[in-house]
Amino acid sequence: EVQLLDSGGGLVQPGGSLRLSCAASGFTFSSYAMSWVRQAPGKGLEWVSTISDSGSNTYYADPLKGRFTISRDNSKNTLYLQMNSLRAEDTAVYYCAKVKFTGASRGVDFWGQGTLVTVSS
Amino acid sequence: DIQMTQSPSSLSASVGDRVTITCRASQGINNYLAWFQQKPGKAPKSLIYAASSLQSGVPSKFSGSGSGTDFTLTISNLQPDDFATYYCQQYNTYPLTFGGGTKVDIK
Repeated sequence: EVQLLDSGGGLVQPGGSLRLSCAASGFTFSSYAMSWVRQAPGKGLEWVSTISDSGSNTYYADPLKGRFTISRDNSKNTLYLQMNSLRAEDTAVYYCAKVKFTGASRGVDFWGQGTLVTVSS
Repeated sequence: DIQMTQSPSSLSASVGDRVTITCRASQGINNYLAWFQQKPGKAPKSLIYAASSLQSGVPSKFSGSGSGTDFTLTISNLQPDDFATYYCQQYNTYPLTFGGGTKVDIK
């Protein structure tokens, strides 16, 4: 059974940093691209970033380039999102998601439960 | 960026109804269109990929159709468990973009 466990969220001051993690199990993690999607309170879904299966290719929403970094450790079956220079507008629930097909970088099938990031002083 | 426009933004329906939600892309997306269901306080659930293919374990009461720029999600025989918010997403081109969502509630 595919399981994605998001963690690392919390309260952080504006300008601070946070690293989110997504622990994966139930599938061959190193064979699938992974994504992060966020949802601000009361708002819709917003794609954040995607990383290829090997980690060699990464993609970001333009407004987040330079502040957010996606990475993965295939030996630990874990996906990460390093978030720097956080702003109030980054407050959201962050979900990791697994890409459905091997060799593809888009189109997800399974989602983590989400982790809440609150940026406030 | 490709804009995804969902309509309606909300609808009220009764148990047993058949409902249709529309999603329009601002340009062609080669049928790389997904639909998701989200209930309050929960993670999204993937329903459909490639415009019309059901994700594993999703009941056939959900169906997707369309091509080019216009797509629809149809839910037949609406049940209490189906009342939720539904989102479309194009995954043809980065940045990946979502529709604004359609909230389906009980009439």
